[in-house]
Amino acid sequence: GDQVEQSPSALSLHEGTGSALRCNFTTTMRAVQWFRKNSRGSLINLFYLASGTKENGRLKSAFDSKERYSTLHIRDAQLEDSGTYFCAAPGGYKVVFGSGTRLLVSP
Amino acid sequence: DAGVTQTPRHEVAEKGQTIILKCEPVSGHNDLFWYRQTKIQGLELLSYFRSKSLMEDGGAFKDRFKAEMLNSSFSTLKIQPTEPKDSAVYLCASSFRQNTLYFGAGTRLSVL
Repeated sequence: GDQVEQSPSALSLHEGTGSALRCNFTTTMRAVQWFRKNSRGSLINLFYLASGTKENGRLKSAFDSKERYSTLHIRDAQLEDSGTYFCAAPGGYKVVFGSGTRLLVSP
Repeated sequence: DAGVTQTPRHEVAEKGQTIILKCEPVSGHNDLFWYRQTKIQGLELLSYFRSKSLMEDGGAFKDRFKAEMLNSSFSTLKIQPTEPKDSAVYLCASSFRQNTLYFGAGTRLSVL
């Protein structure tokens, strides 16, 4: 079935640094969505992309449907960025989710 | 604009009880999803409605889980009878034609 491979599963960053999360899809998805789970456990929408890139503050996401991947870049990481990030591919009967990346930003 | 509203936020049940979780999707959305979230399994799809019609019933969750959508602005998820392994966070989400997915805050269920 449709699957999403999300990496890394865990990531540690120092404040001010950056990194990228990646999701690889086993089939062609028409869009991708990125979420962050906040301290209360709620899933917060970050980006929805059908193609190309989007940027919001220190976050930037890219989606390549043909190459079957999406990335989420975090720059100048802050302590409040800590949390679990998920990618998801809506479309069809099911929304397939990545397994999540647990990000810890430390001073 | 109101997002997805789920009630209650927390539910504690005894084994064998019947519990009903409620969800109000974003107004105008025609897709509604119920998920269960656990640390081990991650997000598991329980049910998917499109325009109030059940499109996906979650396979393995059929026997004790029943989701209904009586109108376009309200859905319920009934678990009967509850078992301790049902303890999890239950999430409701809605979208318009499978575009941006909006999640509710979830209901944390504890079955003793």
